[in-house]
Amino acid sequence: QKEVEQDPGPLSVPEGAIVSLNCTYSNSAFQYFMWYRQYSRKGPELLMYTYSSGNKEDGRFTAQVDKSSKYISLFIRDSQPSDSATYLCAMIGQAGTALIFGKGTTLSVSS
Amino acid sequence: GAGVSQSPSNKVTEKGKDVELRCDPISGHTALYWYRQSLGQGLEFLIYFQGNSAPDKSGLPSDRFSAERTGGSVSTLTIQRTQQEDSAVYLCASSRGRPDNSPLHFGNGTRLTVT
Repeated sequence: QKEVEQDPGPLSVPEGAIVSLNCTYSNSAFQYFMWYRQYSRKGPELLMYTYSSGNKEDGRFTAQVDKSSKYISLFIRDSQPSDSATYLCAMIGQAGTALIFGKGTTLSVSS
Repeated sequence: GAGVSQSPSNKVTEKGKDVELRCDPISGHTALYWYRQSLGQGLEFLIYFQGNSAPDKSGLPSDRFSAERTGGSVSTLTIQRTQQEDSAVYLCASSRGRPDNSPLHFGNGTRLTVT
């Protein structure tokens, strides 16, 4: 079992839809959870950062962490065509030296 | 200010040749990372430099891979005797400190194709 599992999709939704992206993980030492967005032929950019369990909201984006279930989610409200990208979850423990990434989910939002 | 810069953006090489990939991190960032992104495989950690500490090389897939960081700034990833399975996008990232409290800033990568 890989440390971080993420459904690669692709996921296609119409403009305005609510999108739910998810990752599961196996290492209970992970405490810091991030979502990166990657456009085609570009490097990933940080979208959301969460420490431990709970929710964090930033505009149309909400990140949720459930450490008891080892499950994290990213919700996108009122999705836009500009949200079309690959979304990568990433996580690390306090003693870790490098982020562990999921494989990424490719999202396409059609107008 | 300038972001993380990687060169070349694309590299095509013949199997068995050596290649060098360059990364210029953001000025003042003490941490530097190399990741590899293959189709359908996500980002694979290769190596991590933090200040003057010994690098964490635990992700390097074989002894054909090596990296150095000169003067705490520019880094070069070298792949010797390239194989077709080395074809991937090699991404460099830098940050102000530890990855648990400092966001990684990625370059746009070097797309390596081994023929």
